[in-house]
Amino acid sequence: EVQLLESGGGLVQPGGSLRLSCAASGFTFSNYAMNWVRQAPGKGLEWISGISGSGGSTYYADSVKGRFTISRDNSKNTLYLQMNSLRAEDTAVYHCAKGSGNYPYNRIDPWGQGTLVTVSS
Amino acid sequence: QSVLTQPPSASGTPGQRVTISCSGSSSNIGSNPVNWYQQFPGTAPKLLIYTNNQRPSGVPDRFSGSKSGTSASLAISGLQSEDEADYYCAAWDDSLNGQVFGGGTKLTVL
Repeated sequence: EVQLLESGGGLVQPGGSLRLSCAASGFTFSNYAMNWVRQAPGKGLEWISGISGSGGSTYYADSVKGRFTISRDNSKNTLYLQMNSLRAEDTAVYHCAKGSGNYPYNRIDPWGQGTLVTVSS
Repeated sequence: QSVLTQPPSASGTPGQRVTISCSGSSSNIGSNPVNWYQQFPGTAPKLLIYTNNQRPSGVPDRFSGSKSGTSASLAISGLQSEDEADYYCAAWDDSLNGQVFGGGTKLTVL
């Protein structure tokens, strides 16, 4: 059974940084793209970043480009999201989610339960 | 403003058939598969339909998807109270080089 467990969320001040982690199990991690998708309180889903299975290709939404960095450690079956220059509008639940192939072009399944990031002074 | 356009709400009575539309453009729905996700309050989204019209194992055949040109739709037949949830369409966008989602449709079973 595929399991995705996010950690690292919390309260951070505007302009601050945070690193999210996602521990994956139940599948051959390096064979699959991974994604981060967030959901602001009461709002819809927003894909923010994806990474290929090897980690050699990364993709970002314009809303986070230049501020967030996605990475992975295939030896540890772990996905990361380094978030810098955080803004109030980054407040959301951040979900780690598995892609269906080596690149994040296709369906996202399954999703982790998410970790809450709150940006506030 | 979401790249894919969905109606914010839909409703139906038990047993009815409801459809939820998803409108995009040539760079997303027009050239890539559409996927649909179901989300209950306080839970993670779940894949409901993939590659336009395929159901993952365990998804009832009451749920079906279709795509034509730059639009897609999700149909739910034999509506049940447990279908009350938020539904999102999504596709890869070749211009944005990323996944794009619809704004979501809240389905109410009256």
